[in-house]
Amino acid sequence: AQTVTQSQPEMSVQEAETVTLSCTYDTSENNYYLFWYKQPPSRQMILVIRQEAYKQQNATENRFSVNFQKAAKSFSLKISDSQLGDTAMYFCAFMKRYGNKLVFGAGTILRVKS
Amino acid sequence: EAQVTQNPRYLITVTGKKLTVTCSQNMNHEYMSWYRQDPGLGLRQIYYSMNVEVTDKGDVPEGYKVSRKEKRNFPLILESPSPNQTSLYFCASSLTGKIGNTIYFGEGSWLTVV
Repeated sequence: AQTVTQSQPEMSVQEAETVTLSCTYDTSENNYYLFWYKQPPSRQMILVIRQEAYKQQNATENRFSVNFQKAAKSFSLKISDSQLGDTAMYFCAFMKRYGNKLVFGAGTILRVKS
Repeated sequence: EAQVTQNPRYLITVTGKKLTVTCSQNMNHEYMSWYRQDPGLGLRQIYYSMNVEVTDKGDVPEGYKVSRKEKRNFPLILESPSPNQTSLYFCASSLTGKIGNTIYFGEGSWLTVV
């Protein structure tokens, strides 16, 4: 079974600074996808970024980028130029290549301070 | 507009009183699933459905039932709710269960069982 671990329950960052959220996972699969979801206070689930395991290049989406280390089974999210609207719970998630469910970590609460 | 709609959004009920949380999607998606979100545990899959009349258990199916009589609807049934089913519930859908398809989440349903 796959597991996803987010070791930072809470983090804070000053507006305009950079923050990195950590995620590690455990799997025996070779082909899979990894995701970061944002959950603001509204509780909506918003896809931030996704990474395909067979792609070596790290995914980027505007201010969001990942550091994917397949051998170490690590998938961290870097948020640059943090904004107040980035304040949210962030979930790391795993899905097998031909799977049918997302396996989520426990989440990291990020607070951006002005 | 592509939507996954859940009802009710908020509900307080009493132990043992049967309830149904409805989920409907307007994208002709084959794959639908239910998750529950609990503090420190992230989201966990309850049940999923690959298509009409095809359902299967996720990681935490105890105390829940589902049905998929129509493609657009996937209700979650709590036959005899208990306080440990107090949680935030999400319905999700995608075109198929394969990884490349975007997953759409509903807005969540807060359920409190007293």
